[in-house]
Amino acid sequence: EVQLVESGGDLVQPGGSLRVSCVGSGFTFSNYAMTWVRQAPGKGLEWVSTISGSGDEPFYADSVQGRFTIARDNSQNTLFLQMNSLRAEDTALYFCARVPLDTDNSGWTFDLWGQGTLVTVSS
Amino acid sequence: IVMTQSPATLSVSPGEGATLSCRASQNLSSHLAWYQQKPGQAPSLLIYGASTRAPGVPARFCGSGSGTDFTLTISSLQSGDSAIYYCQQYNNWPPITFGQGTRLDIK
Repeated sequence: EVQLVESGGDLVQPGGSLRVSCVGSGFTFSNYAMTWVRQAPGKGLEWVSTISGSGDEPFYADSVQGRFTIARDNSQNTLFLQMNSLRAEDTALYFCARVPLDTDNSGWTFDLWGQGTLVTVSS
Repeated sequence: IVMTQSPATLSVSPGEGATLSCRASQNLSSHLAWYQQKPGQAPSLLIYGASTRAPGVPARFCGSGSGTDFTLTISSLQSGDSAIYYCQQYNNWPPITFGQGTRLDIK
């Protein structure tokens, strides 16, 4: 089955750190760029970060630049998001999502999503 | 690029149609996607390239527009279409940006 499964969400104090993970299965993980999108409780979708299939091209939203680091281990079919200096406004459900293989046709869209992992930043 | 969706909420009866709008603050050409998010679920891709349906998406879902004004039209609405619909631009990124969503209620 083609799927993405996130894990690692937790309750963290402001200023703390957390790493969330996403395991892909049923497809050749290393061929695909991957993305993190978050959704604060009751709010809309916010793009966080995207990384190329090889892992050498990361992109970040201004709101997380310098605090979050996206990475991947293609040998383990796993995507990571290391989150440092966490703030209350980082509280959200974090989704990982796959970028289609053919971005020239399908564009930088997200054709496969996980169910999300909840990160809560609170004292 | 700021994406603005309207209306914020739309209530429609089963069998009727609905028109959802998305406006961009800059020209996107056709680099726009639509997603459907049902309660308690992850979003799913409906439309890319402004008008191309993703695999498995029923023909009742129709995307149109280019430049700065886009529309998602859903015909013959069913109760299962109740969801929040988001547009997303990918013409000029980073950042990738989403609209704030339109909640569609079928009742």
